[in-house]
Parts: sequence; C-alpha cells; structure tokens
Amino acid sequence: GENVEQHPSTLSVQEGDSAVIKCTYSDSASNYFPWYKQELGKRPQLIIDIRSNVGEKKDQRIAVTLNKTAKHFSLHITETQPEDSAVYFCAVYPYGNNRLAFGKGNQVVVIP
Amino acid sequence: NAGVTQTPKFQVLKTGQSMTLQCAQDMNHEYMSWYRQDPGMGLRLIHYSVGAGITDQGEVPNGYNVSRSTTEDFPLRLLSAAPSQTSVYFCASSYQGAPNEQFFGPGTRLTVL
Repeated sequence: GENVEQHPSTLSVQEGDSAVIKCTYSDSASNYFPWYKQELGKRPQLIIDIRSNVGEKKDQRIAVTLNKTAKHFSLHITETQPEDSAVYFCAVYPYGNNRLAFGKGNQVVVIP
Repeated sequence: NAGVTQTPKFQVLKTGQSMTLQCAQDMNHEYMSWYRQDPGMGLRLIHYSVGAGITDQGEVPNGYNVSRSTTEDFPLRLLSAAPSQTSVYFCASSYQGAPNEQFFGPGTRLTVL
C-alpha cells in the first residue's frame, strides 16, 4: 500500500514565525494531496489540498507546494498564531483505489 | 444541515461484547468511510463505501463489519470486542469519492476492558 511519512513529528515555533511541515509518499501515480488540521479533542478538517497538475496553492496564510519528481509536498503556515497549534495530517490518493492514505501527523505548537 | 453525525460519543465495552457505531450524513454524499485513530498512528481506514449496497475493506478491516443499505447511513459493527479495538473512531463522507474533501463526524471514543 501507499507509504506516507510526515516530518518532523513535532514542531515548535514562535508566534509570528513561519512553519513548514513535509510529507513524503511512495506511489508515483498519486494525484491528490490534502492537508487536514485536528485541534485537540476535535474532528479533522480539510485546510488545503492540491492536485498533481498544480505545483503550488495558497489560501491566505497557508500554502501547499508539490514536488512530484521527488514525491513530496509541504504545508507552509506564515505569521503563525496560537490558534494554529494543532495536529496536521497529510494524505495521499493513489490513483484508482478509491481510498486516502494518511500520514501519522505533525504536532505544531505555536509559542506566544 | 447536521453534516456527519455519530453516536454514541463514548462507549465502554467488555471483551467479547458486540456493538454498532452509528454514522449518518444528510449531504447526499455517495462516499462514506470509517477510520480509527490511535496515538501516534494517524488515521487508518477500516472500511469504505462508494454508494448504497457497495462496501470494501480498508487498511485494518479485521474484527469489523459494515453495511450500506441507504445513502445516509453507514454503521460499523464490532463483532466481538477486543482491547486492541480501544480507539477513537471517525466516520467521514464526501461527495465524489476519496480524492475530494472528507467531512468527518465528531468521533466515538471506545474503550474495551
């Protein structure tokens, strides 16, 4: 099956700084790459996604970049705020098998 | 719209007991799925369905059954609960399959003693 890895497992940043977390995958046929945010005790929610025909996508303070050759994509959060503290999961859709494969998550802590 | 709902929110079972976790959505989504979340393990797919009458296994299906008799409902059955099934269970749905936004329910926290 698809192997999805996230690094680093935990990231601490000062409020106002940028945070970058990376997700690597194994199946070169994958073509959909979402990021989900899960606050403590709550359900995961989609924050941004990208498809394989696009290299970068932005939505206000968050962005995702995709490198299909190297098989990795990254979540960028600029001007971090305390409410950005959460666990972030990347996922990968290997084309054709109708299921998402999630990574194990990155804990992001924003220090006020 | 209520979105995706799950019942119960919390459940404690004894080893060997059976139970059904309920999941319903009112968004007319064809694709529904069940995940379990364990500390440090991320979200692992148990079963999924692409429409009424169609189900398939995910990554960790052993010990669980599902059925999909209507578009709205996708119950997950634990046949004979084991301590290894202690976890938080999330149901999710999406409009057009896996490569689209998944809407998650609030989760069910299950403890098996």
